[in-house]
Amino acid sequence: QKEVEQNSGPLSVPEGAIASLNCTYSDRGSQSFFWYRQYSGKSPELIMFIYSNGDKEDGRFTAQLNKASQYVSLLIRDSQPSDSATYLCAAHILKAAGNKLTFGGGTRVLVKP
Amino acid sequence: SQTIHQWPATLVQPVGSPLSLECTVEGTSNPNLYWYRQAAGRGLQLLFYSVGIGQISSEVPQNLSASRPQDRQFILSSKKLLLSDSGFYLCAWRAGVQETQYFGPGTRLLVL
Repeated sequence: QKEVEQNSGPLSVPEGAIASLNCTYSDRGSQSFFWYRQYSGKSPELIMFIYSNGDKEDGRFTAQLNKASQYVSLLIRDSQPSDSATYLCAAHILKAAGNKLTFGGGTRVLVKP
Repeated sequence: SQTIHQWPATLVQPVGSPLSLECTVEGTSNPNLYWYRQAAGRGLQLLFYSVGIGQISSEVPQNLSASRPQDRQFILSSKKLLLSDSGFYLCAWRAGVQETQYFGPGTRLLVL
């Protein structure tokens, strides 16, 4: 079982709609979670991180964390064609040496005009 | 502000040739440094990480090695490249008290 799992997609979303991305993790020792966006051929860039159960909003992005169910989600409101990218979910495990992040395989999002 | 550099940006190498990729970070001290590889259409695979000068931890046994000769310099090397070494190599850094990792622009390696 992979430690961090994401649906590979592609997730096709009409422009202006809400894109909903999900991520599940297996290690209950995971403490914090990160969402990165990666455009084709580019390196990942941080969108946001979340530590506590509940919602965290940053502009058009909302991260949701449910530690009891071991899932993290990312909502993209008013999706734009420029949001078309692969979104990577990562988990930080407090006990992990070197403070490593474990990444999921990514979800490809396509926003259609 | 902090900046991370990687070079070269792209590299085409024959099988069996050596490799040296460099990563440097500016604007911070004592960063944790990481090397990842991303094969085409795949996720990120952690290769090495370093918490300080001369301290290297390997995640995946392979024909690659890493070194950290200076606080803000991280080098990925190979003596003989394999076809399977092709991929997008990413260096990342993390400040000591934070958990967030920030990525460099990456090096795209094609082994022929």
